[in-house]
Amino acid sequence: EVQLVESGGGLVQPGGSLRLSCAASGFTFSSYEMNWVRQAPGKGLEWVSYISSSGSTIYYADSVKGRFTISRDNAKNSLYLQMNSLRAEDTAVYYCALDYYDSSGYEYWGQGTLVTVSS
Amino acid sequence: QSALTQPASVSGSPGQSITISCTGTSSDVGGYNYVSWYQQHPGKAPKLMIYEVSNRPSGVPDRFSGSKSGNTASLTISGLQAEDEADYYCSSYTSSSTLFGGGTKLTVL
Repeated sequence: EVQLVESGGGLVQPGGSLRLSCAASGFTFSSYEMNWVRQAPGKGLEWVSYISSSGSTIYYADSVKGRFTISRDNAKNSLYLQMNSLRAEDTAVYYCALDYYDSSGYEYWGQGTLVTVSS
Repeated sequence: QSALTQPASVSGSPGQSITISCTGTSSDVGGYNYVSWYQQHPGKAPKLMIYEVSNRPSGVPDRFSGSKSGNTASLTISGLQAEDEADYYCSSYTSSSTLFGGGTKLTVL
């Protein structure tokens, strides 16, 4: 059974940093592209970042480019999101999402981890 | 990277059909057959309902269908049921990102 479990969220002050993790199981993690998607409280979904299976190709939303870094450790079946220079508008639930069947849709999502940026 | 445009809300009675539109541009919705639709109930993670414009993942009822014309994609739900009340989001692949719509709240009257 495919499982994605995010962790690392919490309360951080503006300008601070946080590192999110997504532990993957139930599939061959090293063979799959991964994404981060976020959802601000009461708002819609926003794609954040993409990483290829090898980590060689990475994309970011304009809203986080230069501040966030996506990475993965295929040996540990883990996906990461390093978030620096955090702003109030980064407050959201962050999900890791998997396009398992290469359909361009995300069939599997984690439960999400809440990041709150506030002083 | 502008969001795709969806109506904020739609409503229908049980048994009726509703359609939710999703408008983009030729660089996203119109340029690829990679439109997906998600259902999200409060406090839950999104669930994929439609992928590649009109395909349903295993387990999704055939009451849910998708289509596309030009730069606008549509999700149709027929035979509305109470449990269909949720937020619905479209998304589109682009060459270097995924775009989501702003979301549509479906109310089953």
